[in-house]
Amino acid sequence: EDQVTQSPEALRLQEGESSSLNCSYTVSGLRGLFWYRQDPGKGPEFLFTLYSAGEEKEKERLKATLTKKESFLHITAPKPEDSATYLCAVQADTGGFKTIFGAGTRLFVKA
Amino acid sequence: DVKVTQSSRYLVKRTGEKVFLECVQDMDHENMFWYRQDPGLGLRLIYFSYDVKMKEKGDIPEGYSVSREKKERFSLILESASTNQTSMYLCASSLRPGEQNTEAFFGQGTRLTVV
Repeated sequence: EDQVTQSPEALRLQEGESSSLNCSYTVSGLRGLFWYRQDPGKGPEFLFTLYSAGEEKEKERLKATLTKKESFLHITAPKPEDSATYLCAVQADTGGFKTIFGAGTRLFVKA
Repeated sequence: DVKVTQSSRYLVKRTGEKVFLECVQDMDHENMFWYRQDPGLGLRLIYFSYDVKMKEKGDIPEGYSVSREKKERFSLILESASTNQTSMYLCASSLRPGEQNTEAFFGQGTRLTVV
């Protein structure tokens, strides 16, 4: 069964304290892995797509990496405005249209 | 920029009412989706549509139906609202799989409370 597990559930950081969020997945064949940011009371906002193991993408303080079993979202020197829930999702290449989401990691960055 | 617009941010409905949630996207995307999001459960797929008048059940379709009469519009219908349907509802759209850039773009969400 296709599955996405994110850890930790919540992460509290001081401003400037770098860390990583984990997304472990099992899928029959990976078409793409997505990272989203979600602010309270809003819809998820797309950040990155990764397609193959070894791929990396960066945006400001965020860097996403992908292996055959997991993805990491590295946050370098976070600021309070990076506080949000970060969602990971995978899309399988089995010919269907479904995307499977993890439960998310809630990130709190304190000034 | 892709824009996905949901008709309401907040709704309060009574048990047994028929509820319509509307979603419109402006990027000519083939795929459209309805999710509900509950604390600790993440996003769960209710229904999706990959073309006009086409629909597929997601993981939790019971108590819901959908309509897609035009490519840009996807409606979620709660036939008889119940309190366990109180939730955040999210609409999304994407290009067809097989193409690059198949990430989903989400609306702002509708917070539905059934009393």
